[in-house]
Amino acid sequence: SAVISQKPSRDICQRGTSLTIQCQVDSQVTMMFWYRQQPGQSLTLIATANQGSEATYESGFVIDKFPISRPNLTFSTLTVSNMSPEDSSIYLCSAGEYGETQYFGPGTRLLVL
Amino acid sequence: QKEVEQNSGPLSVPEGAIASLNCTYSDRVSQSFFWYRQYSGKSPELIMSIYSNGDKEDGRFTAQLNKASQYVSLLIRDSQPSDSATYLCAVNGGGGTSYGKLTFGQGTILTVHP
Repeated sequence: SAVISQKPSRDICQRGTSLTIQCQVDSQVTMMFWYRQQPGQSLTLIATANQGSEATYESGFVIDKFPISRPNLTFSTLTVSNMSPEDSSIYLCSAGEYGETQYFGPGTRLLVL
Repeated sequence: QKEVEQNSGPLSVPEGAIASLNCTYSDRVSQSFFWYRQYSGKSPELIMSIYSNGDKEDGRFTAQLNKASQYVSLLIRDSQPSDSATYLCAVNGGGGTSYGKLTFGQGTILTVHP
Protein backbone atom coordinates (compact mmCIF):
# COMPACT_ATOMS: atom_id res chain seq x y z
CA SER A 1 0.00 0.00 0.00
CA ALA A 2 1.13 3.55 -0.66
CA VAL A 3 2.03 5.91 2.15
CA ILE A 4 0.91 9.45 1.50
CA SER A 5 1.87 12.65 3.28
CA GLN A 6 0.33 16.09 2.98
CA LYS A 7 1.55 19.52 3.93
CA PRO A 8 0.33 21.60 5.67
CA SER A 9 -1.81 19.54 8.02
CA ARG A 10 -3.90 22.58 8.84
CA ASP A 11 -3.95 26.31 8.16
CA ILE A 12 -5.95 29.41 8.92
CA CYS A 13 -6.06 31.87 6.03
CA GLN A 14 -7.52 35.24 5.26
CA ARG A 15 -10.12 35.61 2.54
CA GLY A 16 -8.72 36.59 -0.82
CA THR A 17 -5.45 34.75 -0.32
CA SER A 18 -4.29 31.44 -1.81
CA LEU A 19 -2.96 28.26 -0.22
CA THR A 20 -0.98 25.49 -1.89
CA ILE A 21 -1.29 22.00 -0.47
CA GLN A 22 1.39 19.44 -1.21
CA CYS A 23 0.90 15.69 -1.54
CA GLN A 24 3.82 13.25 -1.56
CA VAL A 25 3.56 9.49 -2.23
CA ASP A 26 6.28 7.06 -1.15
CA SER A 27 6.18 5.20 -4.50
CA GLN A 28 5.33 5.94 -8.10
CA VAL A 29 1.61 5.82 -8.83
CA THR A 30 -0.39 6.30 -11.97
CA MET A 31 -3.32 8.20 -10.54
CA MET A 32 -3.54 10.94 -7.94
CA PHE A 33 -6.74 12.64 -6.87
CA TRP A 34 -7.85 15.62 -4.83
CA TYR A 35 -11.02 15.55 -2.73
CA ARG A 36 -12.86 17.95 -0.51
CA GLN A 37 -14.77 16.89 2.58
CA GLN A 38 -17.09 19.37 4.25
CA PRO A 39 -17.89 18.82 7.96
CA GLY A 40 -20.26 15.90 8.39
CA GLN A 41 -20.26 15.17 4.66
CA SER A 42 -18.79 12.53 2.43
CA LEU A 43 -15.92 13.02 0.00
CA THR A 44 -16.35 15.03 -3.18
CA LEU A 45 -13.83 14.59 -5.97
CA ILE A 46 -12.31 17.87 -7.13
CA ALA A 47 -10.02 16.62 -9.86
CA THR A 48 -7.72 13.93 -11.15
CA ALA A 49 -4.09 15.03 -11.26
CA ASN A 50 -2.52 13.72 -14.46
CA GLN A 51 1.24 13.46 -14.75
CA GLY A 52 2.54 15.55 -17.61
CA SER A 53 -0.82 17.01 -18.58
CA GLU A 54 -3.57 19.23 -17.25
CA ALA A 55 -5.76 17.98 -14.43
CA THR A 56 -9.25 16.71 -15.16
CA TYR A 57 -11.84 18.59 -13.13
CA GLU A 58 -15.22 17.40 -11.93
CA SER A 59 -18.41 19.36 -12.46
CA GLY A 60 -18.48 22.42 -10.25
CA PHE A 61 -14.71 22.77 -9.95
CA VAL A 62 -12.57 24.90 -12.24
CA ILE A 63 -8.87 25.29 -12.88
CA ASP A 64 -8.79 28.99 -12.05
CA LYS A 65 -10.05 28.27 -8.53
CA PHE A 66 -8.19 24.99 -7.94
CA PRO A 67 -5.03 24.85 -10.05
CA ILE A 68 -3.27 21.50 -9.77
CA SER A 69 0.23 20.42 -10.64
CA ARG A 70 1.61 16.90 -11.11
CA PRO A 71 5.27 17.21 -12.05
CA ASN A 72 6.10 13.54 -11.52
CA LEU A 73 4.63 10.20 -10.44
CA THR A 74 5.04 10.80 -6.70
CA PHE A 75 4.02 14.42 -6.14
CA SER A 76 1.10 16.76 -6.68
CA THR A 77 -0.07 20.14 -5.45
CA LEU A 78 -3.51 21.69 -5.13
CA THR A 79 -3.88 25.44 -4.81
CA VAL A 80 -7.04 26.95 -3.38
CA SER A 81 -7.15 30.41 -4.92
CA ASN A 82 -8.85 33.64 -3.87
CA MET A 83 -10.27 31.92 -0.82
CA SER A 84 -13.57 32.66 0.82
CA PRO A 85 -15.05 31.23 4.04
CA GLU A 86 -16.98 28.72 1.87
CA ASP A 87 -13.64 27.09 1.04
CA SER A 88 -13.19 26.07 4.67
CA SER A 89 -13.00 22.29 4.49
CA ILE A 90 -10.73 19.29 4.68
CA TYR A 91 -8.76 18.67 1.49
CA LEU A 92 -7.60 15.11 0.89
CA CYS A 93 -5.12 13.70 -1.55
CA SER A 94 -5.34 10.07 -2.67
CA ALA A 95 -3.28 7.85 -4.93
CA GLY A 96 -3.63 4.49 -6.61
CA GLU A 97 -3.61 2.51 -9.83
CA TYR A 98 -6.45 2.23 -12.34
CA GLY A 99 -9.35 0.35 -10.80
CA GLU A 100 -7.40 -0.48 -7.68
CA THR A 101 -7.51 0.74 -4.11
CA GLN A 102 -6.96 4.43 -3.49
CA TYR A 103 -4.96 5.33 -0.41
CA PHE A 104 -5.52 8.63 1.33
CA GLY A 105 -3.25 11.18 2.86
CA PRO A 106 -3.98 12.55 6.34
CA GLY A 107 -5.75 15.61 4.95
CA THR A 108 -5.34 19.37 5.23
CA ARG A 109 -7.78 21.24 7.45
CA LEU A 110 -8.37 24.70 6.05
CA LEU A 111 -10.18 27.52 7.83
CA VAL A 112 -10.77 30.74 5.91
CA LEU A 113 -11.63 33.83 7.92
CA GLN B 1 -25.33 10.97 -12.53
CA LYS B 2 -23.62 7.97 -11.01
CA GLU B 3 -24.78 7.46 -7.44
CA VAL B 4 -23.83 5.42 -4.43
CA GLU B 5 -26.41 5.19 -1.69
CA GLN B 6 -25.94 4.22 1.93
CA ASN B 7 -28.14 4.45 4.99
CA SER B 8 -26.66 7.35 6.93
CA GLY B 9 -27.62 5.80 10.25
CA PRO B 10 -26.62 6.11 12.92
CA LEU B 11 -26.48 2.37 13.31
CA SER B 12 -26.12 1.31 16.91
CA VAL B 13 -25.20 -2.25 17.89
CA PRO B 14 -24.13 -3.81 21.19
CA GLU B 15 -20.61 -5.04 21.67
CA GLY B 16 -20.17 -8.55 20.29
CA ALA B 17 -23.05 -8.27 17.82
CA ILE B 18 -22.92 -8.32 14.03
CA ALA B 19 -23.08 -4.93 12.31
CA SER B 20 -24.50 -4.94 8.78
CA LEU B 21 -23.78 -2.03 6.47
CA ASN B 22 -25.40 -1.74 3.07
CA CYS B 23 -24.70 0.11 -0.14
CA THR B 24 -26.35 0.30 -3.56
CA TYR B 25 -24.92 1.80 -6.71
CA SER B 26 -26.40 2.97 -9.98
CA ASP B 27 -23.63 2.38 -12.55
CA ARG B 28 -24.08 -1.16 -13.86
CA VAL B 29 -20.60 -1.32 -15.38
CA SER B 30 -18.79 -0.59 -12.11
CA GLN B 31 -15.97 -3.06 -11.61
CA SER B 32 -14.49 -2.57 -8.17
CA PHE B 33 -15.91 -1.77 -4.78
CA PHE B 34 -14.38 -0.60 -1.54
CA TRP B 35 -15.26 -0.08 2.08
CA TYR B 36 -13.39 2.61 3.96
CA ARG B 37 -13.52 3.40 7.65
CA GLN B 38 -13.16 6.98 8.80
CA TYR B 39 -12.69 7.95 12.40
CA SER B 40 -13.65 11.46 13.41
CA GLY B 41 -10.92 13.89 12.42
CA LYS B 42 -9.02 11.27 10.42
CA SER B 43 -8.78 10.37 6.76
CA PRO B 44 -10.45 7.28 5.25
CA GLU B 45 -8.62 3.98 5.63
CA LEU B 46 -9.31 0.91 3.52
CA ILE B 47 -11.16 -1.95 5.20
CA MET B 48 -12.05 -4.19 2.29
CA SER B 49 -11.99 -4.28 -1.48
CA ILE B 50 -14.11 -6.64 -3.58
CA TYR B 51 -14.17 -7.19 -7.32
CA SER B 52 -16.29 -10.26 -8.03
CA ASN B 53 -19.67 -11.53 -6.94
CA GLY B 54 -19.86 -13.36 -3.66
CA ASP B 55 -18.28 -13.00 -0.26
CA LYS B 56 -14.81 -11.95 0.75
CA GLU B 57 -13.69 -12.41 4.33
CA ASP B 58 -10.85 -10.75 6.19
CA GLY B 59 -10.78 -11.36 9.92
CA ARG B 60 -13.98 -10.01 11.45
CA PHE B 61 -14.99 -8.30 8.21
CA THR B 62 -16.93 -9.82 5.31
CA ALA B 63 -17.75 -7.93 2.14
CA GLN B 64 -20.57 -9.19 -0.07
CA LEU B 65 -21.11 -8.19 -3.68
CA ASN B 66 -24.11 -8.81 -5.90
CA LYS B 67 -23.62 -7.10 -9.25
CA ALA B 68 -27.01 -8.20 -10.60
CA SER B 69 -28.72 -6.38 -7.73
CA GLN B 70 -26.08 -3.59 -7.72
CA TYR B 71 -25.58 -4.15 -4.04
CA VAL B 72 -22.55 -4.37 -1.81
CA SER B 73 -22.50 -4.89 1.93
CA LEU B 74 -20.08 -5.09 4.83
CA LEU B 75 -20.59 -7.34 7.83
CA ILE B 76 -18.60 -6.76 11.00
CA ARG B 77 -18.67 -9.72 13.37
CA ASP B 78 -18.00 -9.49 17.10
CA SER B 79 -18.31 -5.69 16.92
CA GLN B 80 -16.05 -3.75 19.25
CA PRO B 81 -16.33 -0.18 20.55
CA SER B 82 -13.22 0.57 18.50
CA ASP B 83 -15.28 -0.17 15.37
CA SER B 84 -17.34 2.96 16.06
CA ALA B 85 -16.70 5.17 13.03
CA THR B 86 -18.19 6.29 9.73
CA TYR B 87 -18.09 3.60 7.05
CA LEU B 88 -17.85 4.80 3.48
CA CYS B 89 -18.83 2.70 0.49
CA ALA B 90 -16.90 3.60 -2.67
CA VAL B 91 -17.45 2.41 -6.21
CA ASN B 92 -14.95 2.62 -9.04
CA GLY B 93 -16.31 3.96 -12.31
CA GLY B 94 -16.93 1.27 -14.85
CA GLY B 95 -15.65 2.83 -18.00
CA GLY B 96 -14.83 5.82 -20.14
CA THR B 97 -13.91 8.95 -18.26
CA SER B 98 -15.19 7.45 -15.02
CA TYR B 99 -12.66 4.66 -14.94
CA GLY B 100 -10.28 4.98 -12.02
CA LYS B 101 -12.45 7.47 -10.16
CA LEU B 102 -14.18 6.60 -6.92
CA THR B 103 -17.71 7.70 -6.14
CA PHE B 104 -18.44 7.69 -2.42
CA GLY B 105 -21.68 7.11 -0.59
CA GLN B 106 -22.66 9.52 2.14
CA GLY B 107 -21.37 7.15 4.81
CA THR B 108 -23.00 5.17 7.63
CA ILE B 109 -22.22 6.15 11.19
CA LEU B 110 -21.73 3.04 13.32
CA THR B 111 -21.78 3.13 17.10
CA VAL B 112 -20.87 0.01 19.08
CA HIS B 113 -21.92 0.36 22.70
CA PRO B 114 -20.48 -1.72 25.55
